[in-house]
Amino acid sequence: AQSVTQPDIHITVSEGASLELRCNYSYGATPYLFWYVQSPGQGLQLLLKYFSGDTLVQGIKGFEAEFKRSQSSFNLRKPSVHWSDAAEYFCAVAAGTNAGKSTFGDGTTLTVKP
Amino acid sequence: ETGVTQTPRHLVMGMTNKKSLKCEQHLGHNAMYWYKQSAKKPLELMFVYSLEERVENNSVPSRFSPECPNSSHLFLHLHTLQPEDSALYLCASSQELRDTDTQYFGPGTRLTVL
Repeated sequence: AQSVTQPDIHITVSEGASLELRCNYSYGATPYLFWYVQSPGQGLQLLLKYFSGDTLVQGIKGFEAEFKRSQSSFNLRKPSVHWSDAAEYFCAVAAGTNAGKSTFGDGTTLTVKP
Repeated sequence: ETGVTQTPRHLVMGMTNKKSLKCEQHLGHNAMYWYKQSAKKPLELMFVYSLEERVENNSVPSRFSPECPNSSHLFLHLHTLQPEDSALYLCASSQELRDTDTQYFGPGTRLTVL
């Protein structure tokens, strides 16, 4: 079975600083990987996803993520954080069985300092 | 309305009550999902429907009863709940039941069981 680990429960960055959120997955084959963002009182919104091909994936809101098979990682990055990026971020993995069963990490809460 | 809507947004119920959560998607999707999001726990998939047929019941207690009368509507019927069932219940939909399809989430129903 697949699993996801987000090592950082909470991260604080200053507005304008760069951001990297870590995600490590466990799965035997090539996984399908996702990053979602959840603002307070809202549902989850997909930022980006990776299935195959170019290992650097561009998403919405200026986010990108890089799939590194050798490190079993799919870290999310943004070069310059805005105050509106403060939210909770979830990494998820799916096995590609088309059963609709994505496994989510525990999430990382991002605080942005002015 | 657009996207995925959920009603009510907040619900407080006693352990002997019966209530229902409603989800409606306006995206023409064929797959719908119920998730439970508890504090300090990862997002848990509860039920998956594809073309109004349940394809996944993720070991959910029988006090939760889903219903999908058509591809646009999904209900979660609740009865004799426990305080530990207090959580945010999220509905999502996707075009088809494919891991490559983006899941679109509603804002959730915040449930408190007294």
